[in-house]
Amino acid sequence: DGGITQSPKYLFRKEGQNVTLSCEQNLNHDAMYWYRQDPGQGLRLIYYSQIVNDFQKGDIAEGYSVSREKKESFPLTVTSAQKNPTAFYLCASSDPTGFETQYFGPGTRLLVL
Amino acid sequence: AQSVTQLGSHVSVSEGALVLLRCNYSSSVPPYLFWYVQYPNQGLQLLLKYTSAATLVKGINGFEAEFKKSETSFHLTKPSAHMSDAAEYFCAVIAGGYNKLIFGAGTRLAVHP
Repeated sequence: DGGITQSPKYLFRKEGQNVTLSCEQNLNHDAMYWYRQDPGQGLRLIYYSQIVNDFQKGDIAEGYSVSREKKESFPLTVTSAQKNPTAFYLCASSDPTGFETQYFGPGTRLLVL
Repeated sequence: AQSVTQLGSHVSVSEGALVLLRCNYSSSVPPYLFWYVQYPNQGLQLLLKYTSAATLVKGINGFEAEFKKSETSFHLTKPSAHMSDAAEYFCAVIAGGYNKLIFGAGTRLAVHP
């Protein structure tokens, strides 16, 4: 079945530590996205990538980094510079032809120890 | 700039009653609008989308939404609520040429017997 997988489901970060969230898709989509979800705030865009080896900052990119070395993979690193990382992180993908539906993964919940 | 406002962060209905979740948008260009549903600790699932074809859009699970340009609204309805409809619902609008989604803050729907 085609879809988006995210791992791990839960992730714990110690202070000063960088952690990486995985996102893989087999939908053959060129575009991929990372969103952060906080209670009562909806989803906010962190980074997006329209094609391999290219990515752009979203609305809240500070403290995060990404890479896009393969079409099917778009990992997100939460760096120690992100002072409030506790949130639910959602990855999505779509065709980049404009106005296309974004399909979401199951999410990773990041907690700070 | 595009934006989305969802009126009512919590809505409670009886099983079998009408479900009405409100969404108003602001857009400087003809909008593309989406409704997504999220069950606890899961990703988002597309319910329906409006892409400038028919103004009444039918989606999955018996939901539908009507695009009203004069009211800048895209309210989500279902004639008869089911217990399984209890979830959080997000309205979103496309913004920008790179398929950026702007989300509302979400409405949590509770269905009681």
